[in-house]
Amino acid sequence: QVQLVESGGTVVQPGTSLRLSCAASGFSFSSYAMHWVRQAPGKGLEWVALIWYDGSEEYYAESMKGRFTISRDNSKNTLYLQMNGLRADDTAIYYCARGRRAARPSELDYWGQGALVTVSS
Amino acid sequence: DIVMTQSPLSLPVTPGEPASISCRSSQSLLHSDGHNYLDWYLQKPGQSPQVLIYLGSYRASGVPDRFSGSGAHTDFTLKISRVEAEDVGVYFCMQSLQTPLTFGQGTKVEIK
Repeated sequence: QVQLVESGGTVVQPGTSLRLSCAASGFSFSSYAMHWVRQAPGKGLEWVALIWYDGSEEYYAESMKGRFTISRDNSKNTLYLQMNGLRADDTAIYYCARGRRAARPSELDYWGQGALVTVSS
Repeated sequence: DIVMTQSPLSLPVTPGEPASISCRSSQSLLHSDGHNYLDWYLQKPGQSPQVLIYLGSYRASGVPDRFSGSGAHTDFTLKISRVEAEDVGVYFCMQSLQTPLTFGQGTKVEIK
């Protein structure tokens, strides 16, 4: 069955960097676009970034452009989110999610359990 | 960016009764392929979101047929024909027409 398992969530200080990973299994990872979506404590869902099946295109929410980088290693079935210059308002659960399409936005048909990132001094 | 607006934000429901949630977008979600790129998700307490409906009206795999989606262009509705206790949680609509993907604020459904 499809599984997405995030890791790397922790407590960090403002201004520092952190990389999240999402290990995928149970499907042909290299055939699907992948997304990151976050949820601040007690708040709604906020889309973060999208990467196409082959890594050739990346898209970001405006507030994360230049600070966050989405990437993937299809040989390792793993999705990444590199987060730099973290701020207190980046505190959230970060979910990786599979897009149903390979190379365009689409619904998110599978989600991981999430990784909690807390940015605090 | 496309703004998504849901109503109501809170919905007390009675088991066995129908329920309905509205979602409006600030611009048409109709693609040239004929589909409306509007999806519905349910986040049950303590869980990750799960897709219920995609492309406006297509039920995702394993979703009970008491859930249905309708609408076009800018006005969409999620209906539950007979609410069950397991349907409690927060329902989100999301437009997947273009990046940035955007979500509605969420509608919290709870049992009366």
